Amino acid sequence: GQQVMQIPQYQHVQEGEDFTTYCNSSTTLSNIQWYKQRPGGHPVFLIQLVKSGEVKKQKRLTFQFGEAKKNSSLHITATQTTDVGTYFCAVGSSNTGKLIFGQGTTLQVKP
Amino acid sequence: EADIYQTPRYLVIGTGKKITLECSQTMGHDKMYWYQQDPGMELHLIHYSYGVNSTEKGDLSSESTVSRIRTEHFPLTLESARPSHTSQYLCASSESALVNEQYFGPGTRLTVT
Repeated sequence: GQQVMQIPQYQHVQEGEDFTTYCNSSTTLSNIQWYKQRPGGHPVFLIQLVKSGEVKKQKRLTFQFGEAKKNSSLHITATQTTDVGTYFCAVGSSNTGKLIFGQGTTLQVKP
Repeated sequence: EADIYQTPRYLVIGTGKKITLECSQTMGHDKMYWYQQDPGMELHLIHYSYGVNSTEKGDLSSESTVSRIRTEHFPLTLESARPSHTSQYLCASSESALVNEQYFGPGTRLTVT
């Protein structure tokens, strides 16, 4: 079945530094979603990308979908302690609509 | 904020007990899902439903069962809990479009002793 590899697994940054997490697939993806899960919390939807080369921004967060639709990235500019959590990418099946989640990247921010 | 609820939030129970984890949503969503997530790990789909009287097993094999008698309610049952069932169980729902954002409940942290 469809799988996505997400890297890195963990990232520790100093507050104010940038952060990027990557999601890669060996097959072409019809769409990709990104979720954030705070420690002890539940996943919260951030964004969905569907078009080749698509770039979307939400304040300090920039989301990209690769030209070949096989990879995606989430970049946070000037991290803050409120960015702490685990970021998951998820791929929706065009046949069933189910989501397959990546392994997640856990971000720690040192104040 | 999404209106999806799970009870109980925390449950500690002995081996062999039957348990039901409740999940309700007030958004009128047709699609509902159950995920299992160990601490710091990815989410694994264990059950999903496309509507009333529709239930399917997910990608991760699970000894639990589900039912969907009403649109808003999607309970998960374990007939005989075991320590290997210790995990967090997350319920989610989404609209009827083929691929749409999922709204998650707060989760139930289950510990089986």
